[in-house]
Amino acid sequence: TQLLEQSPQFLSIQEGENLTVYCNSSSVFSSLQWYRQEPGEGPVLLVTVVTGGEVKKLKRLTFQFGDARKDSSLHITAAQPGDTGLYLCAGTGLSGNTGKLIFGQGTTLQVKP
Amino acid sequence: ETGVTQSPTHLIKTRGQQVTLRCSSQSGHNTVSWYQQALGQGPQFIFQYYREEENGRGNFPPRFSGLQFPNYSSELNVNALELDDSALYLCASSIPPDTQYFGPGTRLTVL
Repeated sequence: TQLLEQSPQFLSIQEGENLTVYCNSSSVFSSLQWYRQEPGEGPVLLVTVVTGGEVKKLKRLTFQFGDARKDSSLHITAAQPGDTGLYLCAGTGLSGNTGKLIFGQGTTLQVKP
Repeated sequence: ETGVTQSPTHLIKTRGQQVTLRCSSQSGHNTVSWYQQALGQGPQFIFQYYREEENGRGNFPPRFSGLQFPNYSSELNVNALELDDSALYLCASSIPPDTQYFGPGTRLTVL
């Protein structure tokens, strides 16, 4: 069974601080996705990483896929209150069923003004 | 706005009842996946429908069933509701192997 472990599960920081969320597994994934979810809404895709070692930047967010395609990280620079939400990583296994996303348990981020 | 809609938004049922949740996929998307998200957890894959056929199932009992219609909209049916079925139910549409787009979810409460 493929599992994704996210850490930390909860993060409360002040506006302007930096943070990193980790997503780890003992399994190899063909791709990893990061989502952000707000209360009462569905997850919204932030980025997909496919190649081992890949780094993608989205404004103040930097995403990295591990060389072995087993782990990923999300780094936020100078966090703002608007970044508050649930951050989810999700992987697509090597089995070929791209419809079955395996999600981590999520990291709840609270950014205080 | 992902173009994926779900109904109803909220639902309250009692144990033993049956429930049907509905999902309209984004225009042109032929695949719908359903997920269950318990409070404080990440979504868990229930099953996927591709062109009206079930195409993969997660670790959920047979009382969770589904349908996909010719217009690619979909239903999730849950029989004999249990308290632990209380969750946010999400559907996502896609054209494989591309990105899945999630709807806002249906919040089901079982009393």
